[in-house]
Amino acid sequence: GDSVTQMEGPVTLSEEAFLTINCTYTATGYPSLFWYVQYPGEGLQLLLKATKADDKGSNKGFEATYRKETTSFHLEKGSVQVSDSAVYFCALSAAKGDTGRRALTFGSGTRLQVQP
Amino acid sequence: DTGVSQDPRHKITKRGQNVTFRCDPISEHNRLYWYRQTLGQGPEFLTYFQNEAQLEKSRLLSDRFSAERPKGSFSTLEIQRTEQGDSAMYLCASSPSRSGGHTEAFFGQGTRLTVV
Repeated sequence: GDSVTQMEGPVTLSEEAFLTINCTYTATGYPSLFWYVQYPGEGLQLLLKATKADDKGSNKGFEATYRKETTSFHLEKGSVQVSDSAVYFCALSAAKGDTGRRALTFGSGTRLQVQP
Repeated sequence: DTGVSQDPRHKITKRGQNVTFRCDPISEHNRLYWYRQTLGQGPEFLTYFQNEAQLEKSRLLSDRFSAERPKGSFSTLEIQRTEQGDSAMYLCASSPSRSGGHTEAFFGQGTRLTVV
């Protein structure tokens, strides 16, 4: 079945450091890939997405490129801020049968802590 | 606020009791999903509705769980004879149905269930 593997946390960085959170996936067909973020006390929010190979998703300074050859979707940011402290989830969505379910399969999440 | 709303936000119940959660999706979204998230893990798919039809149920959804979406609007998730292993965050998400591609899912803030 479909699965997502992402690096374990917590990841602790100083403000303005470079961030990479690794994500690899296993799926049949051609899934869409997502990064969701969960800030303390809030619900899951979509951060960025990519729907086909070589697409780059970007938002709020974060970027991730859909790499089909390595089945990866690593999240990067050039300069993190304290306000980026949150839990980041990599996820994929693939159509299932005739129902068009397209439910998300999530990784286990990576907690990012940014220190001033 | 026109986002996905869930009620209650927190529920503490004694083992063996029944509980019911409610989800109000974004009004124009015809797809609705329930997920369960345990501590330190990503959300896991439970069940999916398209309008009022429950089209898929995960193997995680035991016979003690039932979900409904009358009239294709709000949805309820009931757990009968709760067990301590049911303690988790229950998340609801909704998305529009568009031909082709994969659309973003919008999540509620979840209902945290504690079974004592």
